[in-house]
Amino acid sequence: EVYLMESGGGLVQPGESLRLSCAASGFSFSRSALTWVRQAPGKGLEWVSVISDSGDETYYADSVEGRFIISRDNSKNRLFLQMNSLRVEDTAVYYCASPAFVGAWNPNYWGQGTLVTVS
Amino acid sequence: QTVVTQEPSLTVSPGGTVTLTCASSTGAVTSGHFPNWFQQKPGQSPRTLIYSTSTKESWTPARFSGSLLGGKAALTLSGVQPEDEGDYYCLLYYGGAHPWVFGGGTKLTVL
Repeated sequence: EVYLMESGGGLVQPGESLRLSCAASGFSFSRSALTWVRQAPGKGLEWVSVISDSGDETYYADSVEGRFIISRDNSKNRLFLQMNSLRVEDTAVYYCASPAFVGAWNPNYWGQGTLVTVS
Repeated sequence: QTVVTQEPSLTVSPGGTVTLTCASSTGAVTSGHFPNWFQQKPGQSPRTLIYSTSTKESWTPARFSGSLLGGKAALTLSGVQPEDEGDYYCLLYYGGAHPWVFGGGTKLTVL
């Protein structure tokens, strides 16, 4: 069974940094592209970033490019999101997600999310 | 900037049929956009229903189906159940520097 658990959320002030982590198991982690998606309170889902299985390729939404960095540690089955220069509008629940199958890049299996509040 | 548009809200009667659509500002949605559909209920994480236009997850009820319809991605619910009430989001693939874009979501009410 696929298991994804985010951690690292909390309350920070504008301009500060935060690092989210996602622990994963139950699938071929090192062969899977992984995604971060966020959801502001009362709003819809927003795709944030994706990283290739090796970590060589990374992509970001316009809204976070240049401020957020996605990375992974395949030896520890962990995904990360380093969030810098945080803004009030970054306040959201952040979900990590894994794909439907090896080679896919879509978010298919979801964690429970971690809340980031910038205020 | 690419915009993906869904109906903000829809209402359907129990046992009825409803189709949710997902349109792209860049033109017709095709299988190359690998449309995904997600269901989310209050206080819960999203749950994947459909990926790659029409492929169902193992937990997706048979009454849900995905397709391409009139240049849009579509999610059809046939024989709607009260538990189908919730928010539905589509996700399209565009490649390039910002490869994935979510639609704004459809709030489905079963009444």
